[in-house]
Amino acid sequence: DVKVTQSSRYLVKRTGEKVFLECVQDMDHENMFWYRQDPGLGLRLIYFSYDVKMKEKGDIPEGYSVSREKKERFSLILESASTNQTSMYLCASSFPLGQSSYNEQFFGPGTRLTVL
Amino acid sequence: DAKTTQPTSMDCAEGRAANLPCNHSTISGNEYVYWYRQIHSQGPQYIIHGLKNNETNEMASLIITEDRKSSTLILPHATLRDTAVYYCIVSFNSGGYQKVTFGTGTKLQVIP
Repeated sequence: DVKVTQSSRYLVKRTGEKVFLECVQDMDHENMFWYRQDPGLGLRLIYFSYDVKMKEKGDIPEGYSVSREKKERFSLILESASTNQTSMYLCASSFPLGQSSYNEQFFGPGTRLTVL
Repeated sequence: DAKTTQPTSMDCAEGRAANLPCNHSTISGNEYVYWYRQIHSQGPQYIIHGLKNNETNEMASLIITEDRKSSTLILPHATLRDTAVYYCIVSFNSGGYQKVTFGTGTKLQVIP
């Protein structure tokens, strides 16, 4: 069974803290993604990575950074957490376009982050 | 970037077919239509995709109009477990790999 796991389901942090959200996939996927989901706004892409040590900004990268040191792991970093980063964070992975005629993304269960 | 438009919410009686519409009038020739759904407290789950032809799998059917400007996801016999938010997405290429942009989706409520 394919799996994308996220380190925490719920997380509470204080303003100014450095926050790490971890995502691991066991499908040998090259592509990995971080989204945030807010009511009324749908899912918005923060960053994605198409290979180890490679990354690209998504639609809302401000206030975030990412790290991909190993193929199976993609980390989202909030350098200095703020209250407007309170959200549901979803990780996903997929094969690159060249290996598939389509681009199904497999999602993790999400991390609900609250910044106080 | 091709955008999609979906109704905010829909109801469907249990056991009946649920027909979820989506408009994607700016879709270009090589872009696929994908459908995902998100059950409460879970991550989105892929349902089906298509390019030009109608598609069917064990979960649903996808009907794409001939001009490709709209599509309909059909759940043939809706159950209570199909209550979820359904996202219609058009993929687009960015630097040689695809990105998908999720909108706000349609909240489908299946009623007993």
